[in-house]
Amino acid sequence: AQSVTQLGSHVSVSEGALVLLRCNYSSSVPPYLFWYVQYPNQGLQLLLKYTTGATLVKGINGFEAEFKKSETSFHLTKPSAHMSDAAEYFCAVNTGFQKLVFGTGTRLLVSP
Amino acid sequence: NAGVTQTPKFQVLKTGQSMTLQCAQDMNHNSMYWYRQDPGMGLRLIYYSASEGTTDKGEVPNGYNVSRLNKREFSLRLESAAPSQTSVYFCASLLAGRNTEAFFGQGTRLTVV
Repeated sequence: AQSVTQLGSHVSVSEGALVLLRCNYSSSVPPYLFWYVQYPNQGLQLLLKYTTGATLVKGINGFEAEFKKSETSFHLTKPSAHMSDAAEYFCAVNTGFQKLVFGTGTRLLVSP
Repeated sequence: NAGVTQTPKFQVLKTGQSMTLQCAQDMNHNSMYWYRQDPGMGLRLIYYSASEGTTDKGEVPNGYNVSRLNKREFSLRLESAAPSQTSVYFCASLLAGRNTEAFFGQGTRLTVV
């Protein structure tokens, strides 16, 4: 069965520092991978997605992710964190037959 | 644009009571989903409907039932609520295909006492 694993339930960075949120996937077929962000008391919204083609995917708010088949990874990065990036981030995979499965989430904390 | 609308936003139930969470989308999406979100456990799929007329179990279906009333609406029913069902529930919809994104409602915060 297809799944995603997010390493680290919490990640703390200083404002201006690199953000790295980790996601590894398990899939027997080419995966379709997504990163979503959830701000407090809100629903989730899409940051970026990987389907086919370019392995480096750019999303909103300066985030990007790189699909690495050899490492079964789809890590999310941002060169310089802003206070407004503090949120919870979810990696997800569409397993086929429209079943969309999420990881356990990583809460990003940004300190001044 | 309304997008995905969930009602109610908050609800407190007593153990054993029943209720239905409503979800409607106005984007002509084919697939709809119900998730629950609990601290440290991320979003867990309860049920989903890949297309109108079909429903399938997700990871945690026990204690829940769903109805895909039409293309727009997908409801989640708790027949006999238990404290373990205290959670935040999210409805989502997706147009079609594995490469399209899901759109989420604002959530329903349910407390069972």
